[in-house]
Amino acid sequence: GAVVSQHPSRVICKSGTSVKIECRSLDFQATTMFWYRQFPKQSLMLMATSNEGSKATYEQGVEKDKFLINHASLTLSTLTVTSAHPEDSSFYICSADQQNTEAFFGQGTRLTVV
Amino acid sequence: AQTVTQSQPEMSVQEAETVTLSCTYDTSENNYYLFWYKQPPSRQMILVIRQEAYKQQNATENRFSVNFQKAAKSFSLKISDSQLGDTAMYFCAFMKHSNDMRFGAGTRLTVKP
Repeated sequence: GAVVSQHPSRVICKSGTSVKIECRSLDFQATTMFWYRQFPKQSLMLMATSNEGSKATYEQGVEKDKFLINHASLTLSTLTVTSAHPEDSSFYICSADQQNTEAFFGQGTRLTVV
Repeated sequence: AQTVTQSQPEMSVQEAETVTLSCTYDTSENNYYLFWYKQPPSRQMILVIRQEAYKQQNATENRFSVNFQKAAKSFSLKISDSQLGDTAMYFCAFMKHSNDMRFGAGTRLTVKP
């Protein structure tokens, strides 16, 4: 199957700083990528849909100015958590779909804000 | 909006036995995809099985099979000959064509030796 690489896998940052997470499709082009957030022992919640060459579409309740998404190429989407606070600590997962019929997930990023 | 419901927060099964995980969903769409994903402690999402709604035949992947009842909007996962490595969180997911994926709350499966 297709491979999606997410980096970094773990990051610890100080409160008030920004953190960038990358999501790359390694062997296919992805016009659309998705960003999810998962709290401990909970399900994946969609945050936003990242569209190559256009603005991301955010789910209700997700602050677009806090979670900046850039999808500058067909193989890379980035999520930047700006002015991070401890409540932003979570597990973030990206996915990309291939041929609009299946999603492939990155390894996830565990963000800890101290 | 589509919703996915997994009514079993936790399940356990003896090694080598069979277990069924339940999933129901709600949609007005006619064409869509259904998935079961496994999430081990590493938290990597691993595709277990996939079903296209237009196909009446239930999908099967080795020890994993589904019972897809489109009219009832039910999509259960059966794991046969359970192995210790099957211990994980299992998520049922719904996806419309060219759209995002919606997940159920998950079922934590424990396979006991």
